[in-house]
Amino acid sequence: NAGVTQTPKFQVLKTGQSMTLQCAQDMNHNSMYWYRQDPGMGLRLIYYSASEGTTDKGEVPNGYNVSRLNKREFSLRLESAAPSQTSVYFCASLPRWWGEQETQYFGPGTRLLVL
Amino acid sequence: LAKTTQPISMDSYEGQEVNITCSHNNIATNDYITWYQQFPSQGPRFIIQGYKTKVTNEVASLFIPADRKSSTLSLPRVSLSDTAVYYCLVGKTGANNLFFGTGTRLTVIP
Repeated sequence: NAGVTQTPKFQVLKTGQSMTLQCAQDMNHNSMYWYRQDPGMGLRLIYYSASEGTTDKGEVPNGYNVSRLNKREFSLRLESAAPSQTSVYFCASLPRWWGEQETQYFGPGTRLLVL
Repeated sequence: LAKTTQPISMDSYEGQEVNITCSHNNIATNDYITWYQQFPSQGPRFIIQGYKTKVTNEVASLFIPADRKSSTLSLPRVSLSDTAVYYCLVGKTGANNLFFGTGTRLTVIP
């Protein structure tokens, strides 16, 4: 049981390049999330997927797109990377959207540097 | 969604008890209070969750007064390894996890 996995661990992009961050969970969780964390800051939600087949914008969605490929996988795509997107990206999953006592499980993060 | 207010940072000596208070004046009837811990270069991890009164586990205690407008995370006898950022979240279900805020940076001093 690997929990939440993210690939790649680290990536360097040039401005304007595109890339997809991959996230997968093997806990049969319904909800998945993408956050970004800038140095010295808290986590900010980019997109989330309450259940397979649905996605919604979070606090900072501009410049990103997501795909909930299946129940296990939730990818984040940067179509045209900008230096402002330099950050650490965390994926997380939650057993049920509608539960009252649920907690998230986080992946190890992807460090992205945009030059 | 209820927003929270926490101190930006705290320092404590090893072996002391640390209490971190979180204000959540707009907490709703069905909202739970959840605390996460984050070490550098890692994702946050769950510490404790509660609804009212007191909750205790092997890591921490959570005190919630009757009006539930605040909560206090208590870490007994902290060690250097407790140096981390602590986040307080308030909400129900998946919506609980939408706003992390900046958290409280705890530094444990030898």
